[in-house]
Amino acid sequence: EVQLVQSGAEVKKPGESLKISCKGSGYSFTSYWIGWVRQMPGKGLEWMGIIYPGDSDTRYSPSFQGQVTISADKSISTAYLQWSSLKASDTAMYYCARRDYGDGGYFDLWGRGTLVTVSS
Amino acid sequence: DIQMTQSPSSLSASVGDRVTITCRASQGISNSLAWYQQKPGKAPKLLLYAASRLESGVPSRFSGSGSGTDYTLTISSLQPEDFATYYCQQYYSTPLYSFGQGTKLEIK
Repeated sequence: EVQLVQSGAEVKKPGESLKISCKGSGYSFTSYWIGWVRQMPGKGLEWMGIIYPGDSDTRYSPSFQGQVTISADKSISTAYLQWSSLKASDTAMYYCARRDYGDGGYFDLWGRGTLVTVSS
Repeated sequence: DIQMTQSPSSLSASVGDRVTITCRASQGISNSLAWYQQKPGKAPKLLLYAASRLESGVPSRFSGSGSGTDYTLTISSLQPEDFATYYCQQYYSTPLYSFGQGTKLEIK
């Protein structure tokens, strides 16, 4: 089955670090870009950044540049989103999504999301 | 950055109604537009891409149109399972993607 499986929910304190994951299966993981999307409670979708696992080429939304780090380990078909110092405002659902194979930029496969809660 | 503005932000309709949601880009995006459906507690689901191409498995009551800066999503006859929030996304300025703010479709 073609799918993206995300890591489980996290509860962290402000200032802590965190790395969440997104594992692809059922398709050639290194041939598709993987994007990350934030959804704050009760709010809309925000594109954060994208990585090509084949060569780790990474692009960030200007809004998230310097705030998070996106990486990938192609040997285990997994992409990551990490924070070095969480803030309460990072509380949100985070989705990974596969970009289409062609020249488009739409996301045709989504993970179920990882809920990150940051609270003292 | 390309800004995407959806209207309306919310909409009440009845089963069987025809519904149209609009998405306007701050500059021309040459049909590089996708529509997603999101139900509460679920991940978004791709409905259409390239403004009017239906994703495999999506019912034909969903359709898209538009050009330049203005695009629409139409549901020809609302079904109970269609009540959800809908988002547009531009990918013209790849990889600097952006989403509309969403349109919540509620039962009247």
